Amino acid sequence: AQTVTQSQPEMSVQEAETVTLSCTYDTSESDYYLFWYKQPPSRQMILVIRQEAYKQQNATENRFSVNFQKAAKSFSLKISDSQLGDAAMYFCAYRGSLNYGGSQGNLIFGKGTKLSVKP
Amino acid sequence: NAGVMQNPRHLVRRRGQEARLRCSPMKGHSHVYWYRQLPEEGLKFMVYLQKENIIDESGMPKERFSAEFPKEGPSILRIQQVVRGDSAAYFCASSQRTGDNEKLFFGSGTQLSVL
Repeated sequence: AQTVTQSQPEMSVQEAETVTLSCTYDTSESDYYLFWYKQPPSRQMILVIRQEAYKQQNATENRFSVNFQKAAKSFSLKISDSQLGDAAMYFCAYRGSLNYGGSQGNLIFGKGTKLSVKP
Repeated sequence: NAGVMQNPRHLVRRRGQEARLRCSPMKGHSHVYWYRQLPEEGLKFMVYLQKENIIDESGMPKERFSAEFPKEGPSILRIQQVVRGDSAAYFCASSQRTGDNEKLFFGSGTQLSVL
């Protein structure tokens, strides 16, 4: 069974600085998708970034980028120029490809990392 | 285009009562997913429904829990005879179609508290 591990329960960063959140996963599949979701106090889950395992290029969305190391099964999130609005819980998630029997909505989440941003 | 709407936002029930959680997907979306988030945990998949059909219920407890997504109206997650361990945030997500590239849009969840 696939698992997702986030080893940092809490992280803190100074405003305008850069922070990296760690995520490792375990799977025997070769084709899958990885996600980072942000959950602010409002509780709504917001997709931050998505990576397709068959793409070697790391995904980037504005100040958010990932370091995807497929062989090491590592998928870290880097937040550059941190802003106060970035403070939230961040969840890493895995989903198998539908072509290999994965279920579209069956995301497997880590336990999350609580990010604080200091002014 | 309103997002995924869940109600109520907070629900308090006594042990043994029934809880009904509602989810209206985004307009045009016919796929609905329910997740549960226990305190200090990530979300855990429960069930995936398409209009009038349950597609994947591999994460659903075998007893007391049921879900439906009728032709008309919202999707309902029903928990009968609630126990304290059912206290959690329940999230709904929706998508327009199936496919590897399809994105899920989440609601803000219903916080269920069982006294």
